[in-house]
This record gives sequence, C-alpha cells and structure tokens, in this order.
Amino acid sequence: AQSVTQPDIHITVSEGASLELRCNYSYGATPYLFWYVQSPGQGLQLLLKYFSGDTLVQGIKGFEAEFKRSQSSFNLRKPSVHWSDAAEYFCAVRGTDKLIFGTGTRLQVFP
Amino acid sequence: DGGITQSPKYLFRKEGQNVTLSCEQNLNHDAMYWYRQDPGQGLRLIYYSQIVNDFQKGDIAEGYSVSREKKESFPLTVTSAQKNPTAFYLCASSIPNGSRFGAGTRLSVL
Repeated sequence: AQSVTQPDIHITVSEGASLELRCNYSYGATPYLFWYVQSPGQGLQLLLKYFSGDTLVQGIKGFEAEFKRSQSSFNLRKPSVHWSDAAEYFCAVRGTDKLIFGTGTRLQVFP
Repeated sequence: DGGITQSPKYLFRKEGQNVTLSCEQNLNHDAMYWYRQDPGQGLRLIYYSQIVNDFQKGDIAEGYSVSREKKESFPLTVTSAQKNPTAFYLCASSIPNGSRFGAGTRLSVL
C-alpha cells in the first residue's frame, strides 16, 4: 500500500542551526514527492517537489530535499534555520488520484 | 493571482445540525479535495472530485457529503451523522504536478 512515514513528531532546533526532517515513502512506481509547510491555523504551502531528474531539489525559503530511491527517502534540509521556520511540515506522495500525507513534523525554533 | 477561497474561517455547529463549508477556486483545476486535520493525525481525505458532476469517497467519508456542480466550487456538508465534527477542514485543488490549499475552516461544536 502507498504510504508516507515521518518518524519525528516534534523537533526542536536553535536558530541558525541546520535542520533535517525525515520522510520515508512506500510506493511501487517512480514517486512524485512533495514537502508542504503549515503555519498555525493556516493552509498548506508547497515548499518543493520531486518528479524526476536531479535528485536534489531546491525549494522556497532556502529549503532543499534529496530523493534517495535506495532508501525510499525524501528528507528535507535547511542549512540555517530562522525563527520564522517554526511550523508543521508535511511530506506527501502522489498516489493514483490523490496525495497521501505523512502525519507531519512540528518544528520548534529556539532563539 | 488565482487561488482557493474557503469560507467561513470559523464555524460552529449545534447538535443535530447540518453545516456547509464553502470552497471556491479560480485556478481552472479539474480536481478538488477535502481533508480533515486533527492534531497528531495529519491530513485525512474525506472526498475528492476529479471532474464536474463526479466525486469519490476518501478514507473518512462517513457523516459528510459533497457536490460538484461547477468546476470552481466543491462545497462540503458536515451532516448530523458526523458525531465528532470538531476539526480543521482544508480544501485543495490539484493538477498532476502540484496541489494548492485554501486557508482552512475551523469547525467547532456548540
């Protein structure tokens, strides 16, 4: 079955530190993968997506993600976190006719 | 700039009442979706529609109903059969290379 796993429910980092949010997927074919960010009480905003080609994709707000087929992973990274990055982050894979989301990772940033 | 508009932002339901959440898009997207979000459970798909006058149940459709009479509109009705309606509801529209989301409606029970 198609699924997405985000192993970390909650992550805390200091401002200026690097960040990596983990995402593992289960999908039979070549996956279309997405990362979304959600600020409290708001909708989801697309950070980046991977369909094919270069396995390192760049997104908005300084985020990047690397697709690793051998590990079924699509981890999100940022070299230096800003306080405004505090939010919830969702990884998703495109299924047959819908997006399948992970349960999300809440990021807290300390000054 | 096109987008998705959800209204109202906050909604209160009385016991036994049906309420309808509005979702309108001007992106010319064919597919539209309704998700329910509860703390710690991510997004769960309620209903989706790939084309006008057609829709399919998602993973948690019980207690909900939808219609798709126009491409731009995909309203969700939370019926009295939905015993635990308190949640954040998100509407999305989609083309194959990405989805756009509305700002959400928070539904509470009085």
